[in-house]
Formats: sequence, structure tokens, C-alpha cells
Amino acid sequence: DAKTTQPPSMDCAEGRAANLPCNHSTISGNEYVYWYRQIHSQGPQYIIHGLKNNETNEMASLIITEDRKSSTLILPHATLRDTAVYYCIVRVDQTGANNLFFGTGTRLTVIP
Amino acid sequence: DGGITQSPKYLFRKEGQNVTLSCEQNLNHDAMYWYRQDPGQGLRLIYYSQIVNDFQKGDIAEGYSVSREKKESFPLTVTSAQKNPTAFYLCASSGSSTSYEQYFGPGTRLTVT
Repeated sequence: DAKTTQPPSMDCAEGRAANLPCNHSTISGNEYVYWYRQIHSQGPQYIIHGLKNNETNEMASLIITEDRKSSTLILPHATLRDTAVYYCIVRVDQTGANNLFFGTGTRLTVIP
Repeated sequence: DGGITQSPKYLFRKEGQNVTLSCEQNLNHDAMYWYRQDPGQGLRLIYYSQIVNDFQKGDIAEGYSVSREKKESFPLTVTSAQKNPTAFYLCASSGSSTSYEQYFGPGTRLTVT
């Protein structure tokens, strides 16, 4: 199972881009990279996912390196409401379960 | 509105008592999941269900039990055999067992004293 490594915390100024890195050097060819975030005391929220191409939606952009060993989640204009723990996840397949393995994530603090 | 509801948001129990946490979804999703989160930690899978009347153990199933009698409901019972039951419990669902986008409920914070 591919594991991910994320910095434990990051700060970002309000209005600036937040770039959250994730290493997943043991990722397999058919594993997707998913990003979720969790605002304090709430359930996690899906942000974006990708396989090898860069992806963009209304919330964020996902940049995956060509060798797929790392990725970056970009919040283009961070707001105070983006303060949360961000989880980078790759698929874990355990006897047919498509559950998500959540590590400890990166705690992003957006500073006014 | 479609979504997942968990109740109650806060729950207090005495040690030695069983307690059941509710999880209901109206998203017509086949798969449902229970996770546990301890302070400063990530989520750990307790049980999951891919279809009605079927469920499987996750990474930390000991001391917990579940049922899936209806598609929309997946209650979790924390038994007295669970040694450290105080935690934040999150329920999630996904469209199918092959769908990785999971929708989470607001969570139940259980405190056992």
C-alpha cells in the first residue's frame, strides 16, 4: 500500500496561493491521489483527485509530477475558511474495501 | 437536502455500558463506513459495508459491532469490550464500493468516564 508523507503544518497569508505538498514515492500505477480536508470538529470534505494528469475544479488544483511520486494541492486564493487539516490519500485496497487511509495530514493555517 | 446525519453530536456514557451511534444517509449510496479519530491523529477504519446485510471489519474492529439492515442506515455499537472508547466517530458513505469519493457526516464525539 502506498503511503504518503506530508509536512505537519503550514501557514499561508490570506489571499495568497497555498501550496500543499505530498510525497507518495511507492504509489502504484493504478492508484489515484485524493485530497480531503477537515475543518475542526467536522467530517472530512472531498476536494479533488487525480491519476496522472493535472486536475482543477472550483476548489483547488492538483499537480502530479510526471513520475507520480509526489503531488501538490494548490488553493489559488486562500481564505480564512480554508484553515483546516489537509489529507493526501492514495488508494488502499484491503480485501475489497475501498476505504481511504487518512494519515495525520497538514494543518494549514491561513493568516489574516 | 441529501447528506449524512449522525446523532447525537456529543454523547456521554459511563464505563461498562454499551452505546450505539446513529448514522443515516439519503444519498442512495451502497457503501458505508465508520472511522474513529483520536486527538491530533488521522482517521482509522472500524467497519465498512458494501451492501445491505453485509459488512466487513476494518483496521480496529475489536470492541465494536455494526449492522446494515437497511441501505440508508449503518449504526455502530461501542461495546464495553472497547478499551479506549473516548474518541470522535465519523460515518461516511460512497456511491459504490469502487467509488473513492466519500461523503462524511458531522461526527459524534463520545466521552466515556
